[in-house]
Amino acid sequence: QKEVEQNSGPLSVPEGAIASLNCTYSDRGSQSFFWYRQYSGKSPELIMSIYSNGDKEDGRFTAQLNKASQYVSLLIRDSQPSDSATYLCAAILYNQGGKLIFGQGTELSVKP
Amino acid sequence: GAGVSQSPRYKVAKRGQDVALRCDPISGHVSLFWYQQALGQGPEFLTYFQNEAQLDKSGLPSDRFFAERPEGSVSTLKIQRTQQEDSAVYLCASSPRQGNTEAFFGQGTRLTVV
Repeated sequence: QKEVEQNSGPLSVPEGAIASLNCTYSDRGSQSFFWYRQYSGKSPELIMSIYSNGDKEDGRFTAQLNKASQYVSLLIRDSQPSDSATYLCAAILYNQGGKLIFGQGTELSVKP
Repeated sequence: GAGVSQSPRYKVAKRGQDVALRCDPISGHVSLFWYQQALGQGPEFLTYFQNEAQLDKSGLPSDRFFAERPEGSVSTLKIQRTQQEDSAVYLCASSPRQGNTEAFFGQGTRLTVV
């Protein structure tokens, strides 16, 4: 089992819809989780961090964390074509010395 | 500097050649991470420093890969006797302190081994 797992997609949604991206992790000791966006040919860009159970909202983005289920999600409301990118979930593995590990990424395509 | 800086941006190496990739983290950042990213994949962890201490090198694929951060700032990833399977984008990220903090990436170095 990979330490951080995501559905690779591609996920396709129409413009204006809600995009839902999911991630699971294996290290129960992990406390810190991140979502990065990566456009083709570019480096990952941090868009959200979440440390506590529940929801965290920032503009059109909402991150959700459920530590009991070892599950993290990212919701993008009112999706725009400019949101089309690969979304990477990441976790700091406290039981492995604090290294930052990424999932394989989910490709999102927002159709006009 | 304003952000994480990596050099060179692009490197073409002949098989068997040694290469050195440089990462300049954000000033004052304690933690530094190196990743290897193949096309269509997520970043794969290579190694991790806190200041000058290399805390984890479990992701280095072979003993041809070596990383250092001698003064706790600039880091160099060295690959000896490059092979075609080493072709990838090498990403560096830094964060202000260990643990519960966000990491920021450089632009990456695209290595092509021919």
